[in-house]
Amino acid sequence: QVTLKESGPALVKPTQTLTLTCTFSGFSLSTSGMRVSWLRQPPGKALEWLARIDWDDDKFYSASLKTRLTISKDTSKNQVVLTMTNVDPVDTATYYCARTQIDYSLDYWGQGTLVIVSS
Amino acid sequence: QSVLTQPPSVSGAPGQRVTISCTGSSSNIGAGYDVHWYQQLPGTAPKLLIYGNNNRPSGVPDRFSGSKSGTSASLAITGLQAEDEADYYCHSYDSSLSGSVFGGGTKLTVL
Repeated sequence: QVTLKESGPALVKPTQTLTLTCTFSGFSLSTSGMRVSWLRQPPGKALEWLARIDWDDDKFYSASLKTRLTISKDTSKNQVVLTMTNVDPVDTATYYCARTQIDYSLDYWGQGTLVIVSS
Repeated sequence: QSVLTQPPSVSGAPGQRVTISCTGSSSNIGAGYDVHWYQQLPGTAPKLLIYGNNNRPSGVPDRFSGSKSGTSASLAITGLQAEDEADYYCHSYDSSLSGSVFGGGTKLTVL
């Protein structure tokens, strides 16, 4: 049974660095073809893809956020971590992690974690 | 402004058929990348509904189907039910952006 769960601060101040952790079970990121993505959804708005890390440690980022994002994995802990620097109120959103298949489909999602950026 | 274009809303009566379009370009859908569809019920995480243009994950009713042609794709829902009321998103890969792209979402209202 595949599960993912996001964790991190509910409230961060502008200019701070946001660190989110995705803890998963039911699959291994050391298995060939496995991938995990991070996405977000501002309140009332559409989904936005942020970053992806692959089983071979290849990393991919949204072009518009590339300079602010870092994705990493700890295979032994079954975790993927996303950091976002210099946050702004426009970064307020529910952040999701999702298992990603070789065709880029997102077949299992975490429940999401709401992050509010406010002073 | 989303890379993939969807109508903001569609509606239909119970039992009817509705379609949701998703229009892309030559760097995503038109480049041959697969289109996937997600259903998001209010207050919940998105759920994979269709993958690889026209495949349903286990447990998804066959009332849901997908198709793709050229730079566009469509999601069709037949035999509309009240529980289908949700937001629907299309998703593909874009080679010029080297990443996933989404539509702006379509809100389905069951009248």
